[in-house]
Amino acid sequence: DAGVTQSPTHLIKTRGQQVTLRCSPISGHKSVSWYQQVLGQGPQFIFQYYEKEERGRGNFPDRFSARQFPNYSSELNVNALLLGDSALYLCASSPEIAGGGEKLFFGSGTQLSVL
Amino acid sequence: DQQVKQNSPSLSVQEGRISILNCDYTNSMFDYFLWYKKYPAEGPTFLISISSIKDKNEDGRFTVFLNKSAKHLSLHIVPSQPGDSAVYFCAASSRTSGGGADGLTFGKGTHLIIQP
Repeated sequence: DAGVTQSPTHLIKTRGQQVTLRCSPISGHKSVSWYQQVLGQGPQFIFQYYEKEERGRGNFPDRFSARQFPNYSSELNVNALLLGDSALYLCASSPEIAGGGEKLFFGSGTQLSVL
Repeated sequence: DQQVKQNSPSLSVQEGRISILNCDYTNSMFDYFLWYKKYPAEGPTFLISISSIKDKNEDGRFTVFLNKSAKHLSLHIVPSQPGDSAVYFCAASSRTSGGGADGLTFGKGTHLIIQP
């Protein structure tokens, strides 16, 4: 079975641009979470979506938004990119709402560089 | 303000010996703790977890100990193998707050290096 897949694997953008990252969860998983990992830090929670609804949001500005589609895949959008948005963006899926004990299955991430 | 702290950025252990990775937390609402392992160019993979109602959980070579009064947990790997060389993240969540939908809070990670 395929694991969590993310695209693209690498992306270079300039300040002020907008970016869309994509994630396909493991088949049968209904929840998708997004995490940002800055170099030298641990992953930081951005969003959790379950059954197409936002169920949790971390401490990120409104420039960050996401959505989940009927097939449970998800997109993360970041507007007005800043240099500080350069990071590895990780998508994780779980069968049900995660964080309550469900272990997360992570993809390999999208490395975003903002110049 | 870091709620999950891993104070050792790196740890070097000889193959066959015990590796002990430490983690401290400050949020008393955390009631579930997990360890993830990460290789370069890959996403983190789940290793082992422990609920706050337990003080020990074991899975093969991996054992996690939880000391709630000290807000401290540790991961023991015995015996350490070369394939264990990776970055290990401690993570915590609160199932009683927000229904667990607030995501996991991760530490900064400890880079474990197993020396042959």
